[in-house]
Amino acid sequence: QVQLVQSGAEVKKPGASVKVSCKASGYTFTSYDINWVRQATGQGLEWMGWMNPNSGNTGYAQKFQGRVTMTRNTSISTAYMELSSLRSEDTAVYYCARGRYYYDSSGYSLLLDYWGQGTLVTVSS
Amino acid sequence: SSELTQDPAVSVALGQTVRITCQGDSLRSYYASWYQQKPGQAPVLVIYGKNNRPSGIPDRFSGSSSGNTASLTITGAQAEDEADYYCNSRDSSGNHRYVFGTGTKVTVL
Repeated sequence: QVQLVQSGAEVKKPGASVKVSCKASGYTFTSYDINWVRQATGQGLEWMGWMNPNSGNTGYAQKFQGRVTMTRNTSISTAYMELSSLRSEDTAVYYCARGRYYYDSSGYSLLLDYWGQGTLVTVSS
Repeated sequence: SSELTQDPAVSVALGQTVRITCQGDSLRSYYASWYQQKPGQAPVLVIYGKNNRPSGIPDRFSGSSSGNTASLTITGAQAEDEADYYCNSRDSSGNHRYVFGTGTKVTVL
């Protein structure tokens, strides 16, 4: 069965960086994009970006451009999301999710069909 | 700020029908997908494309779209449907970037 297993909780100081991992199993890792989504406590979902594990190509939400880097290690089917220059507003649960696309004659949509369990990142001095 | 707008909260009597809407310019060109999230859990995909349900999602969930508005309808709401619901679609830049809606809390009375 498809599983995405994320690394454990992190506590970081303002200005530091954090790197969260997402290990995929149960499918061919290079066949589907990995998306990253975060959620601050009591807040909504925020899409951060996508990475194609086959090519390494990425696309980031404008808000995170310059601060986020999404990478992968295909030999161990693991995706990574690194966020730098952390501030208190970055305290949130970070999720990875497998992304695929639905197409028909009228349009298309991204669908995030499997999600990791989430990683809490706390930024505090 | 989100480019997809949802009502913050709606309520529905047990067994009745509720519609959750998502408004945004990008919905004129792209489908929305819909996610259900219960407290302390990761989101779950419930609807994608024109009106498609992943395996395991009950058929009381359906989707539709008109103009700049996408809708998720729960027909015959159950107690277990009480959750937050989020839409997701391309952002209006059209540059393979995506955005979530502001979210709707559904309460089943």
